[in-house]
Amino acid sequence: GIQVEQSPPDLILQEGANSTLRCNFSDSVNNLQWFHQNPWGQLINLFYIPSGTKQNGRLSATTVATERYSLLYISSSQTTDSGVYFCAVWGYSSASKIIFGSGTRLSIRP
Amino acid sequence: DSGVTQTPKHLITATGQRVTLRCSPRSGDLSVYWYQQSLDQGLQFLIQYYNGEERAKGNILERFSAQQFPDLHSELNLSSLELGDSALYFCASSGTGQQTRGYGYTFGSGTRLTVV
Repeated sequence: GIQVEQSPPDLILQEGANSTLRCNFSDSVNNLQWFHQNPWGQLINLFYIPSGTKQNGRLSATTVATERYSLLYISSSQTTDSGVYFCAVWGYSSASKIIFGSGTRLSIRP
Repeated sequence: DSGVTQTPKHLITATGQRVTLRCSPRSGDLSVYWYQQSLDQGLQFLIQYYNGEERAKGNILERFSAQQFPDLHSELNLSSLELGDSALYFCASSGTGQQTRGYGYTFGSGTRLTVV
């Protein structure tokens, strides 16, 4: 099956800093999403981005499907950005299911 | 509100008991997925239903079962509960089979199960 690797596994930043989170996947994928799991456990959909670039406020994401990676950019970090960021992909099989990476744990210090 | 509704939000029960978790998918979505997230772990796929039929099965224990009803809501039944079953259980929904309707998976807020 498809393997998803996220880096770095942990990231500690001061408020106001910028960060780049990476997601590599081992095979062609039909779709890709980025999720933020906040400290209360909620999984929030950030981007649905099988290819190209999208922006939403201080967050943006780029997926280069041909090179099998995606990047999530967070600018001017705020303490509310803390949590775990998951990349999730799924392939072309009719029985395919979403495969999650192991996540990047982001801690923003005030 | 993501559009996917999970109940209850919290559940505390004793070992050996049986519980039922409920999920209502986003309007128009035919696929429902169940995931388990143990403490500080990633999300493990349990099972997928599409329009009432089981579509894919992951690491689901034999003590666990699920079904999707004609109105498309789904229930996850967990029986003979053990301490290790304590986890966050998420339900997600997506569009018609492989068609994600342009927004992919939508997750509910989860049910936090504590087995004591």
